[in-house]
Amino acid sequence: GEEVAQTPKHLVRGEGQKAKLYCAPIKGHSYVFWYQQVLKNEFKFLISFQNENVFDETGMPKERFSAKCLPNSPCSLEIQATKLEDSAVYFCASSPQTGGTGNTIYFGEGSWLTVV
Amino acid sequence: GIQVEQSPPDLILQEGANSTLRCNFSDSVNNLQWFHQNPWGQLINLFYIPSGTKQNGRLSATTVATERYSLLYISSSQTTDSGVYFCAVVNGNKLVFGAGTILRVKS
Repeated sequence: GEEVAQTPKHLVRGEGQKAKLYCAPIKGHSYVFWYQQVLKNEFKFLISFQNENVFDETGMPKERFSAKCLPNSPCSLEIQATKLEDSAVYFCASSPQTGGTGNTIYFGEGSWLTVV
Repeated sequence: GIQVEQSPPDLILQEGANSTLRCNFSDSVNNLQWFHQNPWGQLINLFYIPSGTKQNGRLSATTVATERYSLLYISSSQTTDSGVYFCAVVNGNKLVFGAGTILRVKS
């Protein structure tokens, strides 16, 4: 598609439940990024993929967060055993070829996760 | 890692006024983008501008890469310009965001 498509737009989970978010990058883009935005400030980088391979996962809280980008499927970000502090907007972004270097990075509309 | 500082942190304008937002970064970059996050949370690409000057309607941006700063100019501001403006740079292989400038345009 011509835009980064994220689903669901809103998700409410009880503390301890699992949350799974999906992202379809722009067609032809090889790089996918996930960011977490808390309180409409501070974007925190979580993870990036080059096609289906993890490119950079330095931002991932590995004990509860996992992500995948499988061929012919939307990318996903999963949070096991959600905590209140996971409440945030999760943005997915994609770019062609070089992981953002020399290319515009395009963002989806975000998935708003509320943990209660 | 690279530091990205935006100023001012917040700004209130009367409709029709002009403004300049600044973004300083602490290291060389190979990508710089300006975004507008509207009150509904959507993140809108304004400019991809690692160097030079670009204009798009009432908005323009200039990046002086050698001096490690970028400026976003908003002319004849409108209430729809309200929101948060983010500067983000690529250092390595990911975007690093500044803390944003919160803009409120009053009618």
